[in-house]
Amino acid sequence: DTGVSQDPRHKITKRGQNVTFRCDPISEHNRLYWYRQTLGQGPEFLTYFQNEAQLEKSRLLSDRFSAERPKGSFSTLEIQRTEQGDSAMYLCASSLSEYNEQFFGPGTRLTVL
Amino acid sequence: AQSVAQPEDQVNVAEGNPLTVKCTYSVSGNPYLFWYVQYPNRGLQFLLKYITGDNLVKGSYGFEAEFNKSQTSFHLKKPSALVSDSALYFCAFGTSGTYKYIFGTGTRLKVLA
Repeated sequence: DTGVSQDPRHKITKRGQNVTFRCDPISEHNRLYWYRQTLGQGPEFLTYFQNEAQLEKSRLLSDRFSAERPKGSFSTLEIQRTEQGDSAMYLCASSLSEYNEQFFGPGTRLTVL
Repeated sequence: AQSVAQPEDQVNVAEGNPLTVKCTYSVSGNPYLFWYVQYPNRGLQFLLKYITGDNLVKGSYGFEAEFNKSQTSFHLKKPSALVSDSALYFCAFGTSGTYKYIFGTGTRLKVLA
């Protein structure tokens, strides 16, 4: 399968713990996006990478959130000191250009107890 | 503020009947418009897009959508619904020079046998 992959698919953690998610985009895609989706809502943009450069961050991305794409391939999203409000589905997407559609991974469902 | 609206939380249609899922947008400039479908516990799957050109665009699984600039709408249609079309549908837009998609809140389509 050459689609976008995300790991883990599910993560349960206790409030205050740190978590890290990984996204592997489609190999030839240089653009990578992170979104967050809560129940009953559409995905909300978090951040965007073109190659290894992080070009845009949403105000939703508080100081506890950090994302990296060190070699312009896979990306990680880390949440420090998790809060119950961080519980959501975290989606990763990739695309070839702004004119090409974004392809989404299956998501990582985070539950903070 | 730029936004996209899906006025119906749920649409019910009988199998074999035509279906329409509505989407309207409020965007300055020329939008890129997309439809995605989401099945339970899965990521978003791309259905179709409008970037420029012919207002009627055809996509995956027999779906089509018509871009109407005067009514600022991009309704999703299918001539004959299948039970397997039952899912959550999201309309989204992007604009030239930006990276993120803005998603609607989703419409749950239920096709009844």
